Amino acid sequence: GENVEQHPSTLSVQEGDSAVIKCTYSDSASNYFPWYKQELGKRPQLIIDIRSNVGEKKDQRIAVTLNKTAKHFSLHITETQPEDSAVYFCAARGGDSSYKLIFGSGTRLLVRP
Amino acid sequence: GAVVSQHPSRVICKSGTSVKIECRSLDFQATTMFWYRQFPKQSLMLMATSNEGSKATYEQGVEKDKFLINHASLTLSTLTVTSAHPEDSSFYICSARDSDRLGSNQPQHFGDGTRLSIL
Repeated sequence: GENVEQHPSTLSVQEGDSAVIKCTYSDSASNYFPWYKQELGKRPQLIIDIRSNVGEKKDQRIAVTLNKTAKHFSLHITETQPEDSAVYFCAARGGDSSYKLIFGSGTRLLVRP
Repeated sequence: GAVVSQHPSRVICKSGTSVKIECRSLDFQATTMFWYRQFPKQSLMLMATSNEGSKATYEQGVEKDKFLINHASLTLSTLTVTSAHPEDSSFYICSARDSDRLGSNQPQHFGDGTRLSIL
């Protein structure tokens, strides 16, 4: 089955700097890669996603890149703000027909004012 | 946007009690829903895939007799934690996939989660 690894586990940046979170996956047939932001005690919220036929996607300060050959994808947040502080999870949907998502271990991002 | 309602948000009960958690898709139909468990400062671990009108598919290591899943309609799935014990205390979150939208790569929409505490 699919296995997703995520790094780093914690990330501290100064407000205004960029933050990068990286994930790798094992199933070469995986074709959908969402990123979720979760605040303490709250539901995960989809912030951006990318499909396997696209190499990069951007939405304002957030971008995601996908390298299918290397089986890794990354989240880039530019001009970070304190409200970006949260736990971020990457996920991958495997190549089977179950539609289930396998999540990475999460990255705790702290943006220092 | 798509809304998933999960109820209750918080449960505190004695050991041995069975607890039912509901997950509803409010403005879309969901033939497939998912149940996750999240321990403090850990990731979301998929427990099972709930399929409308058929048996749930459980992930390896998840006891199907312990975690009963029923998906009797296109908008409701329930998870029952039977004879709960302190080690079952966790944050349980459901998600649903919009069955009406075309394309296999549609996002999952999450409920607010249920914090279960077994004394």
